[in-house]
Amino acid sequence: AQTVTQSQPEMSVQEAETVTLSCTYDTSENNYYLFWYKQPPSRQMILVIRQEAYKQQNATENRFSVNFQKAAKSFSLKISDSQLGDTAMYFCAFMKEYSGYALNFGKGTSLLVTP
Amino acid sequence: EPEVTQTPSHQVTQMGQEVILRCVPISNHLYFYWYRQILGQKVEFLVSFYNNEISEKSEIFDDQFSVERPDGSNFTLKIRSTKLEDSAMYFCASSDAGGGKTQYFGPGTRLLVL
Repeated sequence: AQTVTQSQPEMSVQEAETVTLSCTYDTSENNYYLFWYKQPPSRQMILVIRQEAYKQQNATENRFSVNFQKAAKSFSLKISDSQLGDTAMYFCAFMKEYSGYALNFGKGTSLLVTP
Repeated sequence: EPEVTQTPSHQVTQMGQEVILRCVPISNHLYFYWYRQILGQKVEFLVSFYNNEISEKSEIFDDQFSVERPDGSNFTLKIRSTKLEDSAMYFCASSDAGGGKTQYFGPGTRLLVL
């Protein structure tokens, strides 16, 4: 079974600053997908960014980017120019390529953006 | 923008009662999922569903749970005899394909078992 580890239970960052959330995973699969989901206080799960393991280029979505290190099994999320609305729980998730496409989530990192 | 909807938003039930949680996935999506999140814990996969059958299920998804797509729009999760430990937020999700496609989540149903 795949294990997803988020080693930072809580983090805080000042508005406009940059923060990096870490995620590591354990798998014997070669092809898979990685995701970051955001869960604000409303508890809605919102996709932030996704990465295909076969792509070497790191995914970017506006202020959000990832550092995907396949050999190290690391998938960190960088948030640039942090905004108050970025305050949320962030979950890293793993999906095998051939399966029922279950998302396997980490325990999450609670991010607080302060003025 | 299309979205996944879930009803009810909150449900309170007595232990041992049956509950049905309802979801309307995004209309052109073909893959459907249920997840749960016990308060303060991570989101856990329950089951995935495609072509009118279960694709994958977790250890949590035991004989007390069942899923159904009764018509062309709804996707339901039934818990036959609820336990206290079933209290959680239940999320429905859908995707237009498998293979790493983005799963879009509904707002969740908060279930409280007394």
